[in-house]
This record gives sequence, C-alpha cells and structure tokens, in this order.
Amino acid sequence: EDQVTQSPEALRLQEGESSSLNCSYTVSGLRGLFWYRQDPGKGPEFLFTLYSAGEEKEKERLKATLTKKESFLHITAPKPEDSATYLCAVQPGANSKLTFGKGITLSVRP
Amino acid sequence: DGGITQSPKYLFRKEGQNVTLSCEQNLNHDAMYWYRQDPGQGLRLIYYSQIVNDFQKGDIAEGYSVSREKKESFPLTVTSAQKNPTAFYLCASNPPQGYGYTFGSGTRLTVV
Repeated sequence: EDQVTQSPEALRLQEGESSSLNCSYTVSGLRGLFWYRQDPGKGPEFLFTLYSAGEEKEKERLKATLTKKESFLHITAPKPEDSATYLCAVQPGANSKLTFGKGITLSVRP
Repeated sequence: DGGITQSPKYLFRKEGQNVTLSCEQNLNHDAMYWYRQDPGQGLRLIYYSQIVNDFQKGDIAEGYSVSREKKESFPLTVTSAQKNPTAFYLCASNPPQGYGYTFGSGTRLTVV
C-alpha cells in the first residue's frame, strides 16, 4: 500500500527564517511526486512535480528536491504570505490515483 | 480559461436531507475525483471516475453517491445515511496519462 508521511504537522517560522518541510513516501514505483499549496477555504494549488531521484525544482523562495525515499520543500527567507498548508502526494503509475499526505501547516510571523 | 468549477461554495443541510454538490470541468479530462477534507485528516477519497458512465468507490464511499453522465460533470450527492457530513469537499481531475491533479475551489458543507 502506498503511503505518504509529512513532517512536522505544523511549523512556525519568523519572517526570513529558512527551513524545510519533509515528505517521506513508500510507493510501488514512482511516476511522480507532487507538492501543492493550500490556503484556508480554497482548493490546493499545484507547485511542483518531481519525477526521479536527484531532481530539483525552484519557484521564487521554494525549492523541491527528491530522493528515493523522501522529498523536501525548502523555504528560503519566508514571508508571511508563504503561510499555508503544503500537501505532498505520490502517483505510482499512469492513470493511477494520487496518495496524499496529511499536509504541513506553515505559519510565518512578520 | 480552463478549470474546475465547484458550486456552491457554502452549503447548509438539515439532518435527514440529501444534498448535491456540483463539479464541472472544461479541461477535457477523463478522470475526476471527489475528496473530503477534515482538519488533521488530510484528503480522503470518496469516489472517482475514469470514464463516462463508470465510477468506483474510494476509501470512504458510505453515505455518498455519484453519477458521470457527461465527461464535464461529476456531481456528488451526500445522502442522509452519511452520519457526519460536515466537511470541506474537493473535486479534482487529471488527463489521460497525465501527471497530478487540477483541483476545484471546494464546497464547505455544514449540517444544521
């Protein structure tokens, strides 16, 4: 059974204090690992797709990395507007359902 | 612009009533999904459909029903058999051989 575990459950940072969010996974063959951002009362918004170990992708203050067992979402010098819940999901094959982690709630204080 | 439209944004239901949540997409995606989101529990799959006129139960299908008569539409009915229906409901879709999902903006259902 595919599993995704995200840690920590919640993270509070001071503005400018860099940190990382963890997504550990077990899956029977990885087609893609996904990061989404979700604001309160809204649907998840796509951030990144990672396909193979060693891959990295960046967008503004966010950088996602992937190994064979986990993915990290690094946040450099966060701002209050980065406060949100970050979801990680894996897709084992074409046309297969995504398995989601429970999410990490990030709060950035000014 | 292509996307997924969920309506209504907020829905209130009296106990014993059935309610239907709408999900429409203009992305030409084959597969569509319904998830329920509760605080601290992440996304839980209710039903999914990979083709018109066909759908499968997810992990928490009891008390819910769906239909897929058109490619663009995948409505979810929350029946009176669902004991704890208050939650945030999300609809999603993905294309054939596609990567990841596109999500709608969600419907918050409250039982009063």
